[in-house]
Amino acid sequence: DSGVTQTPKHLITATGQRVTLRCSPRSGDLSVYWYQQSLDQGLQFLIQYYNGEERAKGNILERFSAQQFPDLHSELNLSSLELGDSALYFCASSRRRDYPTGTDTQYFGPGTRLTVL
Amino acid sequence: DAKTTQPPSMDCAEGRAANLPCNHSTISGNEYVYWYRQIHSQGPQYIIHGLKNNETNEMASLIITEDRKSSTLILPHATLRDTAVYYCIVRPPGTASKLTFGTGTRLQVTL
Repeated sequence: DSGVTQTPKHLITATGQRVTLRCSPRSGDLSVYWYQQSLDQGLQFLIQYYNGEERAKGNILERFSAQQFPDLHSELNLSSLELGDSALYFCASSRRRDYPTGTDTQYFGPGTRLTVL
Repeated sequence: DAKTTQPPSMDCAEGRAANLPCNHSTISGNEYVYWYRQIHSQGPQYIIHGLKNNETNEMASLIITEDRKSSTLILPHATLRDTAVYYCIVRPPGTASKLTFGTGTRLQVTL
């Protein structure tokens, strides 16, 4: 158990709809990352938040957005869903630094499986 | 981030050591080598990381060559539960940064 929780575990919806995925980071972790894993693309970084602010963006579509709240949980919003958005969505969390090495180890949640019909 | 090269698949007998290689010939002097694994469709699991020295924890050992152009992850006594895709990732230190996953090595542990 990594300490990162994600809800829901499974989500089935129709094209054109909007969904929200939720992530609770490990206690004390300030950074939250979102990744998408589809069959043809592998694991791809979407976006990172650090202490409530967007820190980095990856291959995130304009239809997707995220935010991190004051209690540090994060939500990923996916709108105007298409069949191709069906994938596993993972969030990961980390502290700013792992002392004494100065690196930043990310710990992943169990994921949300999104199926768009 | 430096690119890594891993064999697409490997087999290992249960109880034997699994040695998973990774080439990262373009690694920079301050970049770390990280290993994660993903069992079926579960979330990636952190295994170990290192910079220059060999590292060991309760899960595995990481051997990094002196020139840092390659490394080997060693699972000393593989079990069926170690069957997974193993990812070798190189990333810079310090600030939080994304993980760039390649295709990894699919390790199959057999009886």
